[in-house]
Amino acid sequence: GQQVMQIPQYQHVQEGEDFTTYCNSSTTLSNIQWYKQRPGGHPVFLIQLVKSGEVKKQKRLTFQFGEAKKNSSLHITATQTTDVGTYFCAGPDSNYQLIWGAGTKLIIKP
Amino acid sequence: KAGVTQTPRYLIKTRGQQVTLSCSPISGHRSVSWYQQTPGQGLQFLFEYFSETQRNKGNFPGRFSGRQFSNSRSEMNVSTLELGDSALYLCASSLEGQNYGYTFGSGTRLTVV
Repeated sequence: GQQVMQIPQYQHVQEGEDFTTYCNSSTTLSNIQWYKQRPGGHPVFLIQLVKSGEVKKQKRLTFQFGEAKKNSSLHITATQTTDVGTYFCAGPDSNYQLIWGAGTKLIIKP
Repeated sequence: KAGVTQTPRYLIKTRGQQVTLSCSPISGHRSVSWYQQTPGQGLQFLFEYFSETQRNKGNFPGRFSGRQFSNSRSEMNVSTLELGDSALYLCASSLEGQNYGYTFGSGTRLTVV
């Protein structure tokens, strides 16, 4: 079945450094969604990308959707402690089901 | 507008018992999905309901079941609880389903002892 691979599993950064997580789907996606889950919290919808090659920005966060609509990335510039959490990508399959990546946990080094 | 409401927030049950969790989606949302999340794990899809019909089901045993009512509220039931069922159960609602973003509830933390 369709799979969405997300890497890395963890990323340790110093506050102020950049962070990137990547998602790769085994099939073409009609859209890709990104969510953030803070420690002890629940996933919160960040954004949805629909168009091939689309780039969207939310303050320090930049989201990209690949030209082939099979991969996506989330880049955070100059991380802050408020960015700590797990970032998930998700894309729909042909059966209306949302397929989730395993998530990338952003950890700020003390 | 009100968010997704899940009740109860916390639950402790004994092995062998059964449990029912409730989810009230955002008004107007017709799709409700349920997920299981264990510590350090990702989101394991349980099932999705759309307009009272189960549209998708994940790879969970038949002990896990759900339903959706005409007002879009949903319940999930787990029978014959096992220790491994201890987890955070999340409900998420969406306007129409997978092509729209999902709004999650705060979850029900189930502990089976």
